[in-house]
Amino acid sequence: AQSVTQPDIHITVSEGASLELRCNYSYGATPYLFWYVQSPGQGLQLLLKYFSGDTLVQGIKGFEAEFKRSQSSFNLRKPSVHWSDAAEYFCAVFNAGNNRKLIWGLGTSLAVNP
Amino acid sequence: DGGITQSPKYLFRKEGQNVTLSCEQNLNHDAMYWYRQDPGQGLRLIYYSQIVNDFQKGDIAEGYSVSREKKESFPLTVTSAQKNPTAFYLCATMEEGEKLFFGSGTQLSVL
Repeated sequence: AQSVTQPDIHITVSEGASLELRCNYSYGATPYLFWYVQSPGQGLQLLLKYFSGDTLVQGIKGFEAEFKRSQSSFNLRKPSVHWSDAAEYFCAVFNAGNNRKLIWGLGTSLAVNP
Repeated sequence: DGGITQSPKYLFRKEGQNVTLSCEQNLNHDAMYWYRQDPGQGLRLIYYSQIVNDFQKGDIAEGYSVSREKKESFPLTVTSAQKNPTAFYLCATMEEGEKLFFGSGTQLSVL
């Protein structure tokens, strides 16, 4: 069965430090992968997506993610975190064979210390 | 100004009452989705619609109903059969390329 795992429920980093949020997926075919961000009490916003081609994808707000097929991973990174990056981050994989549904991870909550 | 409008932002339900959450979009997207979000449980799909006058149950459809009479509108009714309705509800549309656009959500609470 298709699934997405975000191993870290909560992460705290200092402002200016680098960040890596982990995402592992289970999917039989070539996956369409996404990272979304959610501020408290708000909807989600797409950070970046991977469909094919270059395995390192750039997104908004200075984020990037790398697709590694051998590790079934799609980790999100940012070189220097800003206080405004504190939010909930969700990884998702698109199930093309199931009526265009996204399969979601449970999210990682990011806190940023000043 | 294109987007998705969810209303109300906060909603309270009395026991035995049905309540309807509104979702309107002007993005001209065919596909629309309703998600429920509980703390620590991520997003769970309630219902989705690929086209007008058609919709399918998601993973947690029991106690909910929807309609899709217009492309722009996809209201969700939380019925009295839903015994634990307190949650944050998110409406979304999907454009070509499988990108989801989300509304700002409705927080439903039980009185």
